[in-house]
Amino acid sequence: KAGVTQTPRYLIKTRGQQVTLSCSPISGHRSVSWYQQTPGQGLQFLFEYFSETQRNKGNFPGRFSGRQFSNSRSEMNVSTLELGDSALYLCASRRAGGLKDTQYFGPGTRLTVL
Amino acid sequence: GESVGLHLPTLSVQEGDNSIINCAYSNSASDYFIWYKQESGKGPQFIIDIRSNMDKRQGQRVTVLLNKTVKHLSLQIAATQPGDSAVYFCAELMEYGNKLVFGAGTILRVKS
Repeated sequence: KAGVTQTPRYLIKTRGQQVTLSCSPISGHRSVSWYQQTPGQGLQFLFEYFSETQRNKGNFPGRFSGRQFSNSRSEMNVSTLELGDSALYLCASRRAGGLKDTQYFGPGTRLTVL
Repeated sequence: GESVGLHLPTLSVQEGDNSIINCAYSNSASDYFIWYKQESGKGPQFIIDIRSNMDKRQGQRVTVLLNKTVKHLSLQIAATQPGDSAVYFCAELMEYGNKLVFGAGTILRVKS
């Protein structure tokens, strides 16, 4: 069974631009969560989608948004990029809606903002 | 955003020795905890989990201990191998907000 896939793996953008990252969950998984990982702040929860609905949201500004499609694939968007948005963005999927289901992470998208 | 601490300690162990990685969690109401392993260039990988109604849970070469009195979690790795070198994260389920909060992580270095 294929794991969680994320595209692109690496991305370089400049300040003020916007970016869209994509995540394909494990087949049959309906929940997708997004995390930001930086050396200074560690792993921080961005948001979670389940059955195309945002179910949970972390403490990030409105520039960070996401969506989920009917096939459970998810995208996250960051508008008006700032230098501090440089990070590894991780997507994780779980089979059902319960947070106690095992969560599987993708390899991440490394975003660099210049 | 939220995070549990900024410090990233390092544990160096000799190949074949046992490793103990510690984690202090923040919320006494948290009832589910997970350990993840993250190798360089990869996403976190699930190792083992434990619910708050347990004190100990064992997996293959790994054991997680939970001390709710002092809000402490530990991961024990038996007969540590070079392939165990990675960053290890604990995470707690915050029922309020219904989300996982990750610790800062511990770097494990295995010396051959």
